[in-house]
Amino acid sequence: DAKTTQPTSMDCAEGRAANLPCNHSTISGNEYVYWYRQIHSQGPQYIIHGLKNNETNEMASLIITEDRKSSTLILPHATLRDTAVYYCIVRGGNTGKLIFGQGTTLQVKP
Amino acid sequence: NAGVTQTPKFQVLKTGQSMTLQCAQDMNHEYMSWYRQDPGMGLRLIHYSVGAGITDQGEVPNGYNVSRSTTEDFPLRLLSAAPSQTSVYFCASSHGQFNEQFFGPGTRLTVL
Repeated sequence: DAKTTQPTSMDCAEGRAANLPCNHSTISGNEYVYWYRQIHSQGPQYIIHGLKNNETNEMASLIITEDRKSSTLILPHATLRDTAVYYCIVRGGNTGKLIFGQGTTLQVKP
Repeated sequence: NAGVTQTPKFQVLKTGQSMTLQCAQDMNHEYMSWYRQDPGMGLRLIHYSVGAGITDQGEVPNGYNVSRSTTEDFPLRLLSAAPSQTSVYFCASSHGQFNEQFFGPGTRLTVL
């Protein structure tokens, strides 16, 4: 499974877009990029995933570079409730296992 | 649907004791997995199952056993608890191996 690199922490002003980067330079062709978040000490929550095209759902947008070596999760209008640890995960192979890294702690400030 | 449920929410054990953490889901998901999360760390995969009767090891399987006799249940057994197993344990399930995983609320385990 490819490893990911994320900044340890980021701040964002409430109402502004939060852009969370992720590097996955060793990703292989059949591996997907997944994003989860964990609010406080709750169980992780799925946000979005993609293979090579940009994806959007009601929570966020996922932008994957053409070479697929990096991606950005965009929360278009961050709220205080979006304060959480965000995990970028590369998933694939035969088992589909989720391998979590350290994640990015996003602090949304008023 | 109740989703993924875990019991107990909290547990304190003494070194050497055994116990079973329960996980159940009512979504008819084939794929289930167990993770542990230590303070300030990401989640680490312990064991997973792609369907009833089939289990496999994750990143940190030592000290834990699992079985999957039904689609709904995936218990995690600690045969002889050690202080290094103090952690928060999360169970997850999904429809198929590559779809969105739904996580339970976690079990907070302390081993003295």
